[in-house]
Amino acid sequence: ETGVTQSPTHLIKTRGQQVTLRCSSQSGHNTVSWYQQALGQGPQFIFQYYREEENGRGNFPPRFSGLQFPNYSSELNVNALELDDSALYLCASSLVGQGMGTEAFFGQGTRLTVV
Amino acid sequence: AQKITQTQPGMFVQEKEAVTLDCTYDTSDPSYGLFWYKQPSSGEMIFLIYQGSYDQQNATEGRYSLNFQKARKSANLVISASQLGDSAMYFCAMREVGNTDKLIFGTGTRLQVFP
Repeated sequence: ETGVTQSPTHLIKTRGQQVTLRCSSQSGHNTVSWYQQALGQGPQFIFQYYREEENGRGNFPPRFSGLQFPNYSSELNVNALELDDSALYLCASSLVGQGMGTEAFFGQGTRLTVV
Repeated sequence: AQKITQTQPGMFVQEKEAVTLDCTYDTSDPSYGLFWYKQPSSGEMIFLIYQGSYDQQNATEGRYSLNFQKARKSANLVISASQLGDSAMYFCAMREVGNTDKLIFGTGTRLQVFP
């Protein structure tokens, strides 16, 4: 196990609703990243938080937002859900500043289905 | 822009045999890192191996080795002595140089190991 936990594991929401996904990072890690993995695709970077500030963002609209808390846990919020938001959402934590080869530790993901 | 290409949607290998999973990448940065992750059906991304762009030798981690050919921009994963438990999706990823700890993933290869 990586020490990164995500909740819930599965979720079904209706189009137009809002959802919050949660991630508890590995102890000592200062950075959390969120990825969206559509069926049959590789993960796509949504954004990253470093010391509670957004530190980079992928090609996702503003209705995707996040938070990182002082204990390095994190949330991903998605407003106005669309059918295409159905995917596996992965959280990854790492300790930035340890070099290019620093491993990112992933959680088991939250599978979101929008109906 | 950085890009990862995995051209094998699926691969089959017999138990105890070796298998090579292909990965090519595109980047204009001289400094980059290449990763391989395994994703079983549970969803979690499991780190396998890392290769830095300046590393002189190919990386090895137990039964995993990375065939790094910098001039060809390829970073193929070799799994020796395949086991039934190796059946999973395998993703090649590149770490982007910059302020974020972002990983860029390929579309993955589904490996199936048969007895």
